[in-house]
Order: sequence, then C-alpha cells, then structure tokens
Amino acid sequence: RKEVEQDPGPFNVPEGATVAFNCTYSNSASQSFFWYRQDCRKEPKLLMSVYSSGNEDGRFTAQLNRASQYISLLIRDSKLSDSATYLCVVPSGGYNKLIFGAGTRLAVHP
Amino acid sequence: DTAVSQTPKYLVTQMGNDKSIKCEQNLGHDTMYWYKQDSKKFLKIMFSYNNKELIINETVPNRFSPKSPDKAHLNLHINSLELGDSAVYFCASSRSPRQGALTYGYTFGSGTRLTVV
Repeated sequence: RKEVEQDPGPFNVPEGATVAFNCTYSNSASQSFFWYRQDCRKEPKLLMSVYSSGNEDGRFTAQLNRASQYISLLIRDSKLSDSATYLCVVPSGGYNKLIFGAGTRLAVHP
Repeated sequence: DTAVSQTPKYLVTQMGNDKSIKCEQNLGHDTMYWYKQDSKKFLKIMFSYNNKELIINETVPNRFSPKSPDKAHLNLHINSLELGDSAVYFCASSRSPRQGALTYGYTFGSGTRLTVV
C-alpha cells in the first residue's frame, strides 16, 4: 500500500456544487494531517490541518477516520476560484517528513 | 516580506553543467527542505536540515548536494546535470517538532523550474 493515496480526478463540478475528496494513508502512527492546495505552476499552500476527528473552516471541512486510515476534504458551494489540485499530506518517519499524495484535481465550471 | 524565497525562478541549462539554487526563509523556522516535483506533479522530499544539520537524506543521486550555512538558508548544488533532472524544485521551511512542526505544516517557496536541454 502506498504511503498516501488519492484519486487523481479530475473532478469537474458546476459552481455551487458540493464535492468531496478522499485520501488513504498507510502509517497508522501518524497523528496530524494536512490538506494543501496547489494552483497551476504555483507552490503548494496550506489549506487545513487535521489533528483530531476533523476541522472546519468556512466552506471547507476536513475529517479524519483513524480506524479506516482515511482523511476527507469536503468543499461546499464550490467557486470558480476553488479550481486547483488538492494534496493530501501525511507525516511519515521520525522527524519532520511530510509525504504528499499525488493530488486530486478539481475543475469548477460556470 | 516574502517568507520563503528561492532564486532563480527559472533555470535553463545544458546537460553536464553544474548549477545552484538558493533558498532563504525569514520565518524564524528551524528546519528547511528541498522537494522535487516532476512532470507527473508528484512532490517528493529530497533533503531536510534542522539548525544546519542534515536530518533527512532520501535516495537522491550524489550529484545533488545541499548546503546550509545557517538555519535561514538552504542551497542546492547539482553537478553534471542530466535530462531527468528537469523538474520544479521547491524549498520549504517549518518549525521543528519542538516548535510544533506537525501542527503548522510547511511553508513553500515559489519554486525553481529547472530545464535541462
């Protein structure tokens, strides 16, 4: 099993839609997780941290299921500006190493 | 007031050349990283330094040599460049575990797009 797995998409949704991405991880010892957003030809930027059962920030909700080892990201009322690649990130190894998933591409259309 | 800055932003060079990429952060972080993002967009860690000490060294050809003169700077030197080295190289920084790294994640620089011809 890969350390971090995501559905690459793309997810093509209309404005206003609700969309959810899932991510599975292999290291059961991982404690905190992240969702990053990467726009085309830009650097990844932190969207949300997840280190308990879940976290909500406006239209974005991240949930963690430790028993099944998956993390989800829910985006409500999608905007055109939400179009990006969403990277699931999991700590691994001893020190500070973060492992990035390959990303899920979201395209929001009018 | 850029938090993590990399130079150059673009680098086009011929096979066999030696090149360097520089990175500086003004966030007061203890730890810095180099990541490589290839054409398939997969971000893979290469190196990490904590307070000038190498702490992560993934399976990277020894043509790649990081150097950290102080905790605010991490440079990457690449010898004998090959076509397969073409990628975007991202520098990042974070707090150390003592400072709560795994709570706050990493901050990335804007990347250096390296093209080897």
